[in-house]
Amino acid sequence: AQSVTQPDIHITVSEGASLELRCNYSYGATPYLFWYVQSPGQGLQLLLKYFSGDTLVQGIKGFEAEFKRSQSSFNLRKPSVHWSDAAEYFCAVGAWGNEKLTFGTGTRLTIIP
Amino acid sequence: DSGVTQTPKHLITATGQRVTLRCSPRSGDLSVYWYQQSLDQGLQFLIQYYNGEERAKGNILERFSAQQFPDLHSELNLSSLELGDSALYFCASSSRDTEAFFGQGTRLTVV
Repeated sequence: AQSVTQPDIHITVSEGASLELRCNYSYGATPYLFWYVQSPGQGLQLLLKYFSGDTLVQGIKGFEAEFKRSQSSFNLRKPSVHWSDAAEYFCAVGAWGNEKLTFGTGTRLTIIP
Repeated sequence: DSGVTQTPKHLITATGQRVTLRCSPRSGDLSVYWYQQSLDQGLQFLIQYYNGEERAKGNILERFSAQQFPDLHSELNLSSLELGDSALYFCASSSRDTEAFFGQGTRLTVV
């Protein structure tokens, strides 16, 4: 069965500092990996996705993630965070395409001035 | 705006009651997914429909059911509601080559 682990429940970062959110997955075949962001009272917005090819993927809002098969990881990074990045971030793994996404428990990001 | 519309946005109902949540997918998307987000269970996949047919099933209770209509909108029916069913219910839709786009969710409170 597929699973996703986000080991950090809550991260606090100063505005302008770099960010890395961790995600480890377990999946028997080639994974389809996603990062979603959820702002308070909002739905889930896709930041980026990995299906195949280049293991470093670029997303919206200046985010990027790197797929490392040997470490079963798909960590999300941003070189300089903005106050508007404060939100909850979810890593997800899926089977072919988008079927039956399994989400991690999420990482809440707080930005301090 | 993801293009996925969910109604209602908020719903408060009593235990034992039945409610229906509605989802209109993005234009042209054949797949509709339902997810439940709660504090103790996190985001869980409930069920997927593809062009009117059930495609995949997750941790959906027997008290819950869903369907997708010919116009591709979907409804999630929750019956014999319990306090623990209070959660945010998301609908998402996708086409063959795109990721899932999520609606804003319906917040269900059972009192």
